[in-house]
Amino acid sequence: QVQLQESGPGLVKPSETLSLTCAVSGDSIDYYYWSWIRQPPGKGLEWIGRIYYTGSTNYNPSLKSRATMSVDTSKNHFSLKLSSVTAADTAVYYCARDLIKYQMLNAFDIWGQGTLVTVSS
Amino acid sequence: QSALTQPASVSGSPGQSITISCTGTSSDVGSYNLVSWFRQRPGKAPKLMIYEVTKRPSGVSNRFSGSKSGNTASLTISGLQAEDEADYYCCSYAGSSTYVVFGGGTQLTVL
Repeated sequence: QVQLQESGPGLVKPSETLSLTCAVSGDSIDYYYWSWIRQPPGKGLEWIGRIYYTGSTNYNPSLKSRATMSVDTSKNHFSLKLSSVTAADTAVYYCARDLIKYQMLNAFDIWGQGTLVTVSS
Repeated sequence: QSALTQPASVSGSPGQSITISCTGTSSDVGSYNLVSWFRQRPGKAPKLMIYEVTKRPSGVSNRFSGSKSGNTASLTISGLQAEDEADYYCCSYAGSSTYVVFGGGTQLTVL
């Protein structure tokens, strides 16, 4: 059974960089597309970006180039960095897998449990 | 403001059918058959219910169905059950510059 687990600091200071890692267990990270999605408290979902196991990335243009994703196939995990954070970046951050190998379907079938990141001094 | 427009809330009685709409534009929903629907219960991660407009992942009840007409996608739940009460989100591919957009979510209440 494939499982995803997000990890990283729960509190980040304004203007600093948020860093999260998503560990994949139960299957290889190879051949799938992996996304980060966030949800501010009491609000809707926002797609942050996606990475393929090869390292190819796509990002939400609304984040104005603050997001950077990377993948480490040897450790079977992928990561997110979000720079220059403000209170508006406070959210539950989820990592998620696209359903079918090799395809970008936006069919996120496996999700992590989510991790709350608060931006505050 | 979300890129895709969903009603804030819908409700129905057990056994009834309800439909949740998801309205986009010709740059997203209208141009691609890559609309997904997710159910989210309080405090939980979203669950994939429909993908590629009409397809159900393994294990999802056939009470859930999806469709699309023009720039509007729809999720229909038939034989409404108490366990269906949750927030529902639509999602669409939006081309090679915007990529992925979500709707604002719809709260489903089973009366």
